Amino acid sequence: NAGVTQTPKFQVLKTGQSMTLQCAQDMNHEYMSWYRQDPGMGLRLIHYSVGAGITDQGEVPNGYNVSRSTTEDFPLRLLSAAPSQTSVYFCASSSRTGVTEAFFGQGTRLTVV
Amino acid sequence: AQTVTQSQPEMSVQEAETVTLSCTYDTSENNYYLFWYKQPPSRQMILVIRQEAYKQQNATENRFSVNFQKAAKSFSLKISDSQLGDTAMYFCAFRASTGTASKLTFGTGTRLQVTL
Repeated sequence: NAGVTQTPKFQVLKTGQSMTLQCAQDMNHEYMSWYRQDPGMGLRLIHYSVGAGITDQGEVPNGYNVSRSTTEDFPLRLLSAAPSQTSVYFCASSSRTGVTEAFFGQGTRLTVV
Repeated sequence: AQTVTQSQPEMSVQEAETVTLSCTYDTSENNYYLFWYKQPPSRQMILVIRQEAYKQQNATENRFSVNFQKAAKSFSLKISDSQLGDTAMYFCAFRASTGTASKLTFGTGTRLQVTL
């Protein structure tokens, strides 16, 4: 049971570098989301998708880009990393139907120096 | 827009005792779901319990139960017979049943320490 798989688990970037956080789910969920977790602030929504080809901005989208070409994958791109993007990032998926909770990946701890 | 408030940043409880974590929320939705997630030091987000707003009966899962007060927009989590493994960060979360159902809104979390 893979569930939601996030890679990498840890990453250090230099300011200005770009990178992509990968997220894949094997539960055929329609909804996928990216959150960032910062101390004292809980999890905040960056971008989300309700299906392949459809994405929208969440609460803190600046500096991030997403696309959803397949149901399974929802990568998050940092275009030009900044120290303010140092955080723990979570990918989550959930079903459109029924009372289902969100399933989370293991998280990525990103440090921008 | 929805907001979720957890007013207790940290709490401590002795093993085998009972502790209650508070959560209040604000929404104009009538149909929605509420969740408690646990985040141990491993960082994994684990669902503890969920409540459907249209159900008046409070949800229970073994040692975990909720006190859901819809009119007061309150959703507290009670942990009975606390165990050392309950030490974790606990997040309350809100999800609408339609419209913005793809989005979870989280509180800022309560760090629970279970001591001997």
